[in-house]
Amino acid sequence: AQSVTQLDSHVSVSEGTPVLLRCNYSSSYSPSLFWYVQHPNKGLQLLLKYTSAATLVKGINGFEAEFKKSETSFHLTKPSAHMSDAAEYFCVVSGFGTSYGKLTFGQGTILTVHP
Amino acid sequence: NAGVTQTPKFRVLKTGQSMTLLCAQDMNHEYMYWYRQDPGMGLRLIHYSVGEGTTAKGEVPDGYNVSRLKKQNFLLGLESAAPSQTSVYFCATSYGRGQVKNIQYFGAGTRLSVL
Repeated sequence: AQSVTQLDSHVSVSEGTPVLLRCNYSSSYSPSLFWYVQHPNKGLQLLLKYTSAATLVKGINGFEAEFKKSETSFHLTKPSAHMSDAAEYFCVVSGFGTSYGKLTFGQGTILTVHP
Repeated sequence: NAGVTQTPKFRVLKTGQSMTLLCAQDMNHEYMYWYRQDPGMGLRLIHYSVGEGTTAKGEVPDGYNVSRLKKQNFLLGLESAAPSQTSVYFCATSYGRGQVKNIQYFGAGTRLSVL
């Protein structure tokens, strides 16, 4: 069994300040973890992925995430927010105990960036 | 290279009507998926396919049928639409399962309203 909890449904930051979007997961297997971003009325775009290599993962647009097994966390960060970062972000866990790569999505975190 | 294309982008149905959503991919991926997205619930898997001619149920399959007659196309059908099926539908594709192959690529979505 696997699950994902995104700890904040909404996060609001000012442009130029750091971004932190929190995600905790549970998985019966060594998981793969992803962050996807969805801009309004658009599909989902892969930001970054963790697949048991380096625990600090760098993604597109300056985002990065750190896999912490002891805390079962995979928080997404960015040093300096940009207006174009305003979107909904999904933390996703993938398990391999089934015949397909089942993805389990978190509920999403809406990021608002103020000028 | 269009990636994953969903048709139509928007649709309004009356209760009891039927329709088919088309997902077409030019990425030569084996696996294809249909999800629905509802506010505060992330994405939930409806049906999936691990190859041409094969389909299987996901988490929320009731009221939907699918077909994968060609590798590049995955159709989602609603035989008798209900208001509870009002949602945004996303198609996704991946090479397969496994830590790298399971990265999923999403279409732009279909917004469906059932009145």
